[in-house]
Amino acid sequence: AQSVTQLGSHVSVSEGALVLLRCNYSSSVPPYLFWYVQYPNQGLQLLLKYTSAATLVKGINGFEAEFKKSETSFHLTKPSAHMSDAAEYFCAVSPLLNYGGSQGNLIFGKGTKLSVKP
Amino acid sequence: ETGVTQSPTHLIKTRGQQVTLRCSSQSGHNTVSWYQQALGQGPQFIFQYYREEENGRGNFPPRFSGLQFPNYSSELNVNALELDDSALYLCASSRRRLANQETQYFGPGTRLLVL
Repeated sequence: AQSVTQLGSHVSVSEGALVLLRCNYSSSVPPYLFWYVQYPNQGLQLLLKYTSAATLVKGINGFEAEFKKSETSFHLTKPSAHMSDAAEYFCAVSPLLNYGGSQGNLIFGKGTKLSVKP
Repeated sequence: ETGVTQSPTHLIKTRGQQVTLRCSSQSGHNTVSWYQQALGQGPQFIFQYYREEENGRGNFPPRFSGLQFPNYSSELNVNALELDDSALYLCASSRRRLANQETQYFGPGTRLLVL
């Protein structure tokens, strides 16, 4: 069964510092992978997605993530943190069916809360 | 192009009652998925509707049921509410073409409190 593990429930960085949020997945076939961001009392906003094209994926707000099959990882990075990046970040996997179609549901990690210090 | 909308935004119910939550999908989307997000947790998949039929279900009991309408909007119904049903309920819409599922876009959620 597919699963997602996000290492670190809380990450704190200083403004201007590198942001690194870790995500590892478990899947028997290369899945679709997503990062979503959730601001307080709001729904989820898509940051970026990997769908078996380029392994380095660029998203909104300066975020990017790299798919590494050998490490079953999809870590999220941003070179320079802004105060507005403070939010909760969720990594998710969408399992692929054997014939390549998507199963449709998303399996989420437990989330990583990012704090940005001035 | 309007995004995914959900109503109501907040709801308070008592144990044993029934609740209906509503979702309007994004223009051009034909698939709606529902998720439950308990406090401090990631969202958990409840079920998905495609062409007005349930098309996949997570590990939730039958008292969680849903509908999808011809205009692709959807309802989530929960009967016999329990305290543990208190959560943020998220609706996501997407477009399914043939066997492939495209990206899910989420609404703002309905926060349900069961007392």
